[in-house]
Amino acid sequence: DQQVKQNSPSLSVQEGRISILNCDYTNSMFDYFLWYKKYPAEGPTFLISISSIKDKNEDGRFTVFLNKSAKHLSLHIVPSQPGDSAVYFCAASANSGGSNYKLTFGKGTLLTVNP
Amino acid sequence: DVKVTQSSRYLVKRTGEKVFLECVQDMDHENMFWYRQDPGLGLRLIYFSYDVKMKEKGDIPEGYSVSREKKERFSLILESASTNQTSMYLCASRTGQGGGYTFGSGTRLTVV
Repeated sequence: DQQVKQNSPSLSVQEGRISILNCDYTNSMFDYFLWYKKYPAEGPTFLISISSIKDKNEDGRFTVFLNKSAKHLSLHIVPSQPGDSAVYFCAASANSGGSNYKLTFGKGTLLTVNP
Repeated sequence: DVKVTQSSRYLVKRTGEKVFLECVQDMDHENMFWYRQDPGLGLRLIYFSYDVKMKEKGDIPEGYSVSREKKERFSLILESASTNQTSMYLCASRTGQGGGYTFGSGTRLTVV
């Protein structure tokens, strides 16, 4: 039973345009969400997070939007750069990501940014 | 910066061998985790530990065990390696207060 779903295995965009990566979740107890980026042969690195008390969080070129009623979040990258090409994982946790609650990850979306 | 170090980047083992994957973190984190990553399956949790000598099964613990004798070290053990355990193995840690994980660079294990 997949509680965090990334329905697009891959996405291709042109350099300079917006990349939108989507994530849906089914567990209504989830209240803390994160995005990780992973290059081949490396471990995932943290990008940005959002708590359920917010509907938007921005960090430079990266913005995460949360729609609690739809159980949907998205990551916007503007403008996209070739170095952004990687696999992006959505993750979620209950208890505000607090102690003893593990993250549940989606299957990932491979983003390719073409020069 | 938190550092999570996995002892090997690439490993080739034979079927039936006992395999140890080691992970060390240097920031006194309470929580440590082992995941495997496979194409089309994403990150799947094998085992995790909230503290020394404590362990909990994740979503796919079969064929694996773990050891956490010291706070900074979390070992994943494949008791008898099989070809379906060929994968990228990722270790992660975080503070006891929660939040996001810090991952190691991963160990690409091939079982032949």
